[in-house]
Amino acid sequence: EPEVTQTPSHQVTQMGQEVILRCVPISNHLYFYWYRQILGQKVEFLVSFYNNEISEKSEIFDDQFSVERPDGSNFTLKIRSTKLEDSAMYFCASKGGRRYTGELFFGEGSRLTVL
Amino acid sequence: AQKVTQAQTEISVVEKEDVTLDCVYETRDTTYYLFWYKQPPSGELVFLIRRNSFDEQNEISGRYSWNFQKSTSSFNFTITASQVVDSAVYFCALSEETSGSRLTFGEGTQLTVNP
Repeated sequence: EPEVTQTPSHQVTQMGQEVILRCVPISNHLYFYWYRQILGQKVEFLVSFYNNEISEKSEIFDDQFSVERPDGSNFTLKIRSTKLEDSAMYFCASKGGRRYTGELFFGEGSRLTVL
Repeated sequence: AQKVTQAQTEISVVEKEDVTLDCVYETRDTTYYLFWYKQPPSGELVFLIRRNSFDEQNEISGRYSWNFQKSTSSFNFTITASQVVDSAVYFCALSEETSGSRLTFGEGTQLTVNP
C-alpha cells in the first residue's frame, strides 16, 4: 500500500540552527501539507502546497519556515533558525483528487527537539 | 471560523465495553467535510473515515460506527466491543470548502482500553 514517508524520524538540534525535514508523498498525489503537533496538544495546520506553490498557510508559518518540492518527489520543510518552541512532531501529508475532498494520508512524523 | 471540540480529554474502559467519542463542530459553510483520525502510541495519524456535509447517513465499519447529526453539529464515533489495540488518541477534524483543504483538528480524546 502506498504511503507517505518522512525523514528523519527524530532530529535533535541546537537553537538557532537550520533544520530541513523531508517527505516523500504518495506518487500520484497533487496536494501536499505540513502539520505540527506540540507534545500532548492537537495537530495544527502549517501549510499546503499545490502546483509548485503555497496555496495556504497558517499564522504559525512565519518567515522562519519555507517549503519546497525540489525534484518532483520530495517535499521539504525548512526552519531557518530554530527556536525552543519549534520542538514538536511534524507531519507531512498528501492528497489526491480534488482540492476540497478526499482524505489526507499522513506520514509517521518527524520529531524535532530543539535544545 | 471553523472549530472542533472534543470535550472528552480521556476515557478509560475495560475490554469489550462499548465506547463513544464525542465531536462537536462549528462552521459557517454549507459544504464541509468531517474526519476521524487515530493516533496510536507509535505516533502516526491513521485515517478512519471522511464524511461530507450532504451525507448524514450513519456508517458502520466492523466494530466502528459513526453518527453524524447536522442538527446538533455532532459527529460521534462509537467503538463496539473495545479491544486493547484500540487504545490511542482519536482526533476529529473538519475541513471547510471556503477555507481550502486545511484540516482543523479537535484536541483529541485519549482512549485507554484495559484488559
